[in-house]
Amino acid sequence: DTEVTQTPKHLVMGMTNKKSLKCEQHMGHRAMYWYKQKAKKPPELMFVYSYEKLSINESVPSRFSPECPNSSLLNLHLHALQPEDSALYLCASSQPTGGTEAFFGQGTRLTVV
Amino acid sequence: QKEVEQDPGPLSVPEGAIVSLNCTYSNSAFQYFMWYRQYSRKGPELLMYTYSSGNKEDGRFTAQVDKSSKYISLFIRDSQPSDSATYLCAMARTVGGSRLTFGEGTQLTVNP
Repeated sequence: DTEVTQTPKHLVMGMTNKKSLKCEQHMGHRAMYWYKQKAKKPPELMFVYSYEKLSINESVPSRFSPECPNSSLLNLHLHALQPEDSALYLCASSQPTGGTEAFFGQGTRLTVV
Repeated sequence: QKEVEQDPGPLSVPEGAIVSLNCTYSNSAFQYFMWYRQYSRKGPELLMYTYSSGNKEDGRFTAQVDKSSKYISLFIRDSQPSDSATYLCAMARTVGGSRLTFGEGTQLTVNP
C-alpha cells in the first residue's frame, strides 16, 4: 500500500481564519514533506520532517506552521493567509535515507478569499 | 540557470504513438531520478524510480538515465488517451531524504 491520505480535499478560508491540513501514511516512512503547487507549475518544497523532527524549512512565512505529532501524521496549520497562498498543498512521504521513492497524497486545494 | 530543465510542452500525439519526454540537469549531486504523472487537480503519481545509468522498463514505460550526460528520458510505448497528463521529472541527492527538485513538467495529450 503506497497511499498517502490528505484531508480535506478542498478548503475555502477567509484571511482571518485558522484552519489545518492533515496528512496520514501507514507505510512506515520516517520522512514526511509539505509541498505547495501553483497552477501549471511544479511542486515547491515547504517543509521536511525526518524522524518527527523538522529538518528543513524553505523560508516559509510563519503563517504556515507544520506539526508532526507522530511518525504517521503530518499537519499544516494555517493562519492569516493571503489570497496568493491559494494553491494545491501536497503531502509526501519516504524513507529518510537519501533518494528513496517518495509518494504523494492527492492534495488539498486551498482557496483563500 | 535552473538545476533541472524539462522540455516544454504541450505535446500532442495520436493514440499508439511512442512518446519521448526528457530532462537535463546540471548538479552532479543528483543521484536518484523519478518520473511522476499528474492528472489535472490530482497529486503526482510515481511512475518510475531509478538510480543508475541505463534503462529500466515497466510495462509500456521505459526510464533511461545517462549520468555522464546528465540526461534522463521517459518513453511511453503504445500511448493511450488515458496517458494524457502532465509528466514531471524529479531528482534527489544522496542526503536529505527524498527532498525533490522537479522539472517544469510536460503536458501530454494523446488523441484517440
